[in-house]
Amino acid sequence: GIQVEQSPPDLILQEGANSTLRCNFSDSVNNLQWFHQNPWGQLINLFYIPSGTKQNGRLSATTVATERYSLLYISSSQTTDSGVYFCAVGESGGFKTIFGAGTRLFVKA
Amino acid sequence: NAGVTQTPKFRVLKTGQSMTLLCAQDMNHEYMYWYRQDPGMGLRLIHYSVGEGTTAKGEVPDGYNVSRLKKQNFLLGLESAAPSQTSVYFCASSETGAYNEQFFGPGTRLTVL
Repeated sequence: GIQVEQSPPDLILQEGANSTLRCNFSDSVNNLQWFHQNPWGQLINLFYIPSGTKQNGRLSATTVATERYSLLYISSSQTTDSGVYFCAVGESGGFKTIFGAGTRLFVKA
Repeated sequence: NAGVTQTPKFRVLKTGQSMTLLCAQDMNHEYMYWYRQDPGMGLRLIHYSVGEGTTAKGEVPDGYNVSRLKKQNFLLGLESAAPSQTSVYFCASSETGAYNEQFFGPGTRLTVL
């Protein structure tokens, strides 16, 4: 099955700093999503991005499907950005979504 | 719209007890999914359904059963709970399959003693 690797596993930022999170996947995929799991455990949809670039406020994401990776950019980080960021891909020709292990982000005030 | 809801939010079971987790969605989605999340890990797919009356196994189906009698509901059953099933369970739905965005419920935290 598809392998999904996220890096870095852990990240500590000072408030106001920028960061880039990476998601690599081992095979062709139908779609790719980025989620934020907040400290209360809620999964929040950030981007549905099988290819191309999208932006939403301070967050943006780019997926290069032909090279099998996606990047999530966080600019001017805030303490409320803390949590775990997951990349999830939909297997090509199938119904399943495979999650990476996540990047745990802590933003210090 | 409530989106995806899960009942209950928390539950503590003793080994060997049974229970059913309920997931409901009001978005008229065809596909529904049950995942489990263990500490420090991503979500792993337990079972999924591609439509009313259908179910299929995911990555970690052992010890669980599911039913999709109504399009809006997806039930996850534990017939004889084990401590290894202590986890947070998430339900999700999507309009169709892997091409579409998934929307998640708030989760159910289950502890098996």
